[in-house]
Amino acid sequence: DIQMTQSPSSLSASVGDTVTITCRASQAISNDLGWYQQESGKAPQRLIYAVSSLQSGVPSRFSGSGSGTEFTLTITSLQPEDFATYFCLHLNTDPLQYTFGQGTKLEIK
Amino acid sequence: QVHLVQSGAEVKKPGASVKVSCQASGYMFSDFAIHWVRQAPGQRLEWLGWINAGDGNTKYSQNSQGRLTLTRDTSASTIYMELSSLTLEDTAVYFCARDQGWYVTGWFGFDHWGQGTLVTVSS
Repeated sequence: DIQMTQSPSSLSASVGDTVTITCRASQAISNDLGWYQQESGKAPQRLIYAVSSLQSGVPSRFSGSGSGTEFTLTITSLQPEDFATYFCLHLNTDPLQYTFGQGTKLEIK
Repeated sequence: QVHLVQSGAEVKKPGASVKVSCQASGYMFSDFAIHWVRQAPGQRLEWLGWINAGDGNTKYSQNSQGRLTLTRDTSASTIYMELSSLTLEDTAVYFCARDQGWYVTGWFGFDHWGQGTLVTVSS
């Protein structure tokens, strides 16, 4: 099975900062990886799919990159509404496996 | 506008079953698969299974196989998740999520999610 390690588990930053969150896979994986934002008590929302494609309506300060075993979500110029939990999700088709990162809680410093 | 609306919180005793619904609106129900995912307290999200809303085909995770049953009612645009033989470890928030499917070179992922349903298993 593919193991996904997301880091950091929590992150403290200020409005205007740039932050990077990483998902590392235990083996090289396909680019079927997306990033999601989840505000406390709410449904997750997709930010990015296929590593780097921005969901329509999502601000351009969110970006994704990576390949192989390491994938990153970068948020530039943090806004107050960005303080939430973020997680990655990967689909492996053979064998079928959906793997989530453990989440990163982004808090205001 | 796409909406997935889940049924309300449940409290069950160990050994019981729970059935959670996910009503879809705003799109052609049969065109998309629906997944179920859960998040236990302090744990990462866990994929449980999916159902093709069009033909009813299902696929379950190894961990949920045998206890999880996904069904659909196309007339009500509703997906049902039933989990049997509940244990304390099944206490979690359960989400349904729509799978947007595939484009030319890859997977779109889950584009819409339900609001979540808290299932508490307690003696």
